[in-house]
Amino acid sequence: GQNIDQPTEMTATEGAIVQINCTYQTSGFNGLFWYQQHAGEAPTFLSYNVLDGLEEKGRFSSFLSRSKGYSYLLLKELQMKDSASYLCAVLDSNYQLIWGAGTKLIIKP
Amino acid sequence: GAVVSQHPSRVICKSGTSVKIECRSLDFQATTMFWYRQFPKQSLMLMATSNEGSKATYEQGVEKDKFLINHASLTLSTLTVTSAHPEDSSFYICSLKGRENSPLHFGNGTRLTVT
Repeated sequence: GQNIDQPTEMTATEGAIVQINCTYQTSGFNGLFWYQQHAGEAPTFLSYNVLDGLEEKGRFSSFLSRSKGYSYLLLKELQMKDSASYLCAVLDSNYQLIWGAGTKLIIKP
Repeated sequence: GAVVSQHPSRVICKSGTSVKIECRSLDFQATTMFWYRQFPKQSLMLMATSNEGSKATYEQGVEKDKFLINHASLTLSTLTVTSAHPEDSSFYICSLKGRENSPLHFGNGTRLTVT
């Protein structure tokens, strides 16, 4: 079956760095997405990785290792507004998105 | 700016009535549209996938006669919740897909409350 695993909840301190991991087992791979979702709102796109390596975009970076079925989202200089759920999703061989359950990130002052 | 417009953002209706939710692509032609439902503190659940000009494909457990999806054009898809019941109260979100490896763009969601 297809499976995406990410931690349920993480806590970090304002100004610090946090890494949210995502491992996947899917039938085929056509890319991995990270989305941010604030409570009561729709998800917003953060990043897309299809090749191995690190993609940096401001305070957020995303890493992919296809051989390991592994990705992480790195958030630097954490701000209170970064408190949200972070969703990992993989595009499988049929171009269907397989979603992780999301990681709730709690930022403390 | 926003590439997807979803209306209404909030709706309260009485049990037994029907509610229509619209999802419009503003910047590009969306060949595929997805409808999701999200209950509080739970992940997105895909309800159905619709391609322009063809019938929607519903996920297992989603009643196609209750959740009517119309994808009449490359820029508009509608979800109609027929004979709504309180258990249909949820957050409904549409998303659009452009070219093959492009990210999904989400509408802002519709908070449906059935009383």
